[in-house]
Amino acid sequence: SQKIEQNSEALNIQEGKTATLTCNYTNYSPAYLQWYRQDPGRGPVFLLLIRENEKEKRKERLKVTFDTTLKQSLFHITASQPADSATYLCALDGQRAGTASKLTFGTGTRLQVTL
Amino acid sequence: GAVVSQHPSRVICKSGTSVKIECRSLDFQATTMFWYRQFPKQSLMLMATSNEGSKATYEQGVEKDKFLINHASLTLSTLTVTSAHPEDSSFYICSARDMGQGDEKLFFGSGTQLSVL
Repeated sequence: SQKIEQNSEALNIQEGKTATLTCNYTNYSPAYLQWYRQDPGRGPVFLLLIRENEKEKRKERLKVTFDTTLKQSLFHITASQPADSATYLCALDGQRAGTASKLTFGTGTRLQVTL
Repeated sequence: GAVVSQHPSRVICKSGTSVKIECRSLDFQATTMFWYRQFPKQSLMLMATSNEGSKATYEQGVEKDKFLINHASLTLSTLTVTSAHPEDSSFYICSARDMGQGDEKLFFGSGTQLSVL
């Protein structure tokens, strides 16, 4: 069966450090992978999209890697700040199921950045 | 960026009543909108794909007669939870793509917290 797995345990890091979140998937052949941020009681907000032929993508303090052999994406936040505290979701297009226009989300990892 | 407005943000209703949730794309046209449901500490689950001018496409296990979707214009989709029961209590979120931006990212509404007593 298809799975998108993110670490369900919260990640606690100190301000200024780099946070690294993991997204693993099985039985998908995604054309792209996306990362979203979700704050409590709010809808997700798009952060980054990386395509299957891209190894790495950067945007300001954010960096995403995509390894289609390992079926894994890593999401990094450098110089983390308390304002980065939120839940981060990875999402894949359902290409394998013939539903390329729909996104399937992982359960998300909650990041807590402390002073 | 594109803005999706969702209303209401919170609703409390009695069991057996119907609740309508509106989702509007404010500055772009959305031929397709997506409705998700999210239970506490769980992932977003796609319920249905709303298509302007045609019937919605429901995911497996989602009752189309219970969750009525209407996408009457290029900027408005509505989800009506009919005869709501406590087990329908959840966080409902709509989303859409701005095809004018030419990529696959989704813009989400702020969500509706439904509590059925």
